[in-house]
Amino acid sequence: QLVLQESGPGLVRPSETLSLTCTVSGDSINTGSYYWAWLRQPPGKGLEWIGSIYYTGTTSYTGSLRSRLTISRDTSKNQIALRLNSVTAADTAVYYCARPSSYLFYAFDIWGQGTTVIVSS
Amino acid sequence: EVVLTQSPGTLSLSPGERATLSCRASQSLSSASLAWYQHKPGQAPRLVISSASSRATGIPDRFSGSGSGTDFTLTISRLEPEDFAVYYCQHYDSSPPRWTFGQGTKVEIK
Repeated sequence: QLVLQESGPGLVRPSETLSLTCTVSGDSINTGSYYWAWLRQPPGKGLEWIGSIYYTGTTSYTGSLRSRLTISRDTSKNQIALRLNSVTAADTAVYYCARPSSYLFYAFDIWGQGTTVIVSS
Repeated sequence: EVVLTQSPGTLSLSPGERATLSCRASQSLSSASLAWYQHKPGQAPRLVISSASSRATGIPDRFSGSGSGTDFTLTISRLEPEDFAVYYCQHYDSSPPRWTFGQGTKVEIK
């Protein structure tokens, strides 16, 4: 059974770097032609895909965050990492790690439980 | 870039009633690329429908999806108490890979 678990600090100061980790159990992140994605939901707003990494290591990012966002992987730990630089209050959100299924035309069928990040001094 | 517009923003209904949620795309989409999710507070989103009309694993048959081109619909035939939630439509584009969500429709108890 595939399980995704997000972790990271719940509070980040403005202008600093947000770092989150998604630990994957039940499958290897560098096999199977899968994407691994990060999404977020700011308070009172909808879901937003922010970026993803393919099993080959190729990344893609939403345009509004491309200059500040880096998604990477650690295959030895079976983890996907997110780094978001120069955060502001607008980056306050619940952050989700998710895996879209190629069998479902890349709909997200597996999600982590989410981790809340607050940007505040 | 595709923009998905969902309507209505809020749907106030009673248990047992029929819910009809709309998702309109700014350009014609492949039906295969359209999915619907249910999202409850404090929980991860749950895939309800993929490829516009295919129910996800474990989703009851009171949920159905339809549509093509620019207009897609999620229908809940008879609302159960556990169905009250926010529903999002989502589109996948492969070149480059990116996922776009609508702004959501809240189905609330009347």
